[in-house]
Amino acid sequence: AQSVTQLGSHVSVSEGALVLLRCNYSSSVPPYLFWYVQYPNQGLQLLLKYTTGATLVKGINGFEAEFKKSETSFHLTKPSAHMSDAAEYFCAVSNNNNDMRFGAGTRLTVKP
Amino acid sequence: ETGVTQSPTHLIKTRGQQVTLRCSSQSGHNTVSWYQQALGQGPQFIFQYYREEENGRGNFPPRFSGLQFPNYSSELNVNALELDDSALYLCASSRGQTLRNTEAFFGQGTRLTVV
Repeated sequence: AQSVTQLGSHVSVSEGALVLLRCNYSSSVPPYLFWYVQYPNQGLQLLLKYTTGATLVKGINGFEAEFKKSETSFHLTKPSAHMSDAAEYFCAVSNNNNDMRFGAGTRLTVKP
Repeated sequence: ETGVTQSPTHLIKTRGQQVTLRCSSQSGHNTVSWYQQALGQGPQFIFQYYREEENGRGNFPPRFSGLQFPNYSSELNVNALELDDSALYLCASSRGQTLRNTEAFFGQGTRLTVV
């Protein structure tokens, strides 16, 4: 069975500062890993995903994540936070099928 | 191409009642997954349908059931509603049986409140 742990339910950064959202996974087989963003009263939008190949994955809106098998991590980063990045972020894992297991989420606040 | 649409957007039901939620898949998608997102939590996988057959199920009781139709739209049915069923129900559609080369697109959800 696969699972995801997101460290930190709330993260607050200043506009222009580095964003780092942490995700650790557990999986018995090579995982597919995802980061989604959710704005209030909306569904989830895919930021990026890792399936195979290059371990540094670039996504939309300037986000990227690095798959580190030795650390079972898939942390999300963005060099410079923007006010529009304020949202809930979810890490998810899938095992070569079509369903995903999500973490509890991290709420990102961006201060002016 | 059209996106994933869910109906209704909001719903209030009484404990013990039954509810049906609907999801129209994105054009060309043959897989639908349903998730329950309780307030302040991440989405929890309920079940998935691929080409009208159930293709996986999460840790939800049998009173949660579903259907997928020939046009790949889907329904989620919940019987004997409980207060804890209050949540945002999300539908996601995708193509095929793996997310390796595709993406799951989510609808905006149905907010169910059980009183």
